[in-house]
Amino acid sequence: EIVLTQSPGTLSLSPGERATLSCRASQSLTSTYLAWHQQKPGQAPRLLIYGTYSRATGIPDRFSGSGSGTDFTLTISRLEPEDFAVYYCQQYDSSPLTFGPGTKVDIK
Amino acid sequence: QVQLVESGGGLVKPGGSLRLSCAASGFTFTDYYMNWIRRAPGKGLEWVSYISQSGDSMHYADSVRGRFTVSRDNAKNSLYLQMDSLRPEDTAVYYCGRGGRMTTVTTAWGQGTLVTVSS
Repeated sequence: EIVLTQSPGTLSLSPGERATLSCRASQSLTSTYLAWHQQKPGQAPRLLIYGTYSRATGIPDRFSGSGSGTDFTLTISRLEPEDFAVYYCQQYDSSPLTFGPGTKVDIK
Repeated sequence: QVQLVESGGGLVKPGGSLRLSCAASGFTFTDYYMNWIRRAPGKGLEWVSYISQSGDSMHYADSVRGRFTVSRDNAKNSLYLQMDSLRPEDTAVYYCGRGGRMTTVTTAWGQGTLVTVSS
């Protein structure tokens, strides 16, 4: 099983700042099959990034993904008020599919 | 517009059973993998199971293998999760997720249904 670790656990930033979220896999992914999902309180999650780099439909270009092997990053270039949420990475490279524990981005 | 509507959640005693359903619309159901994912209170997301487009391939998390069974009815555009031998640690909001055409990543999420396992 591929275990995903996310850091930091909580990121306290102000609107307009840049957010950098990290996801590390316990073993190297053989593909680019790494996704990022956003979840706000009381709402269903939403897919942001799939295939490490590709934005899902309707996702603004301030969200970008990068990485390979065991180290992946989600970057939010300038935080908007609606971006304060919990972010989960997910690997779908091999079964069982796994999620990271999440990074909470909250308002400083 | 993609819609996924879960139903069937509720309160059940430990050792009991429950069957969740997910009604899908707004896309060609037979083209996509389908997933079940859950979120326990105060915890993060946990993938539970996925099923292939034809229903001939199913995968499960270790925590539910042997107790949960995923299935789909392509004629009814519906996904199901039969949950047996339920445990208190299965208490969670269960989400139905549309996968991809070629991969299992969840590309669209339902609103979820709450399952509570308690005596």
